Amino acid sequence: NAGVTQTPKFQVLKTGQSMTLQCAQDMNHEYMSWYRQDPGMGLRLIHYSVGAGITDQGEVPNGYNVSRSTTEDFPLRLLSAAPSQTSVYFCASSYRGTGELFFGEGSRLTVL
Amino acid sequence: SQQGEEDPQALSIQEGENATMNCSYKTSINNLQWYRQNSGRGLVHLILIRSNEREKHSGRLRVTLDTSKKSSSLLITASRAADTASYFCATDALNSGYSTLTFGKGTMLLVSP
Repeated sequence: NAGVTQTPKFQVLKTGQSMTLQCAQDMNHEYMSWYRQDPGMGLRLIHYSVGAGITDQGEVPNGYNVSRSTTEDFPLRLLSAAPSQTSVYFCASSYRGTGELFFGEGSRLTVL
Repeated sequence: SQQGEEDPQALSIQEGENATMNCSYKTSINNLQWYRQNSGRGLVHLILIRSNEREKHSGRLRVTLDTSKKSSSLLITASRAADTASYFCATDALNSGYSTLTFGKGTMLLVSP
């Protein structure tokens, strides 16, 4: 099984550019989420989804959009990239109510 | 804001020694989980302990939970160089209904041969 797949692994953007980080899972998980990881800050939840068509904000949602049109995919869109969005982004999924998260390998984004 | 806070921030030991990491949290929880992250990789789930459990074992891992003190500890026995990684605790808020986990900042463990 592929588990949780994130693309791209690395990306460099200029301030103001937009892009989409892709996340796909093949475990039929209802719950999917996006975290960002910054040095000294741990992981912070950006957005999450509890099923197709249902999304909600996490701790740090500003500057990001999400949608969930299928169970498998949960893309994260940066609308107008800022240097403060330089980070490592992790997508994670889980069975509903179980709690154990399965993580992707991360997408390292640099905004110049 | 972080729910869990790990202590110490960094820990350096020799192979064969035991490693203990602590996690404190602020509000009531459904469960507490521990994850490991190798450098440059995603997080991997290690163990989950529910609020009505006090201790749980998995291989060389032992986790305790004290809900009265809002704290948990992760013990890795007979550490190996391959245990070198960052370790995070994560809490699942009570009655949230969904697995919205809040992570701490992590403990960086270095195990030297």
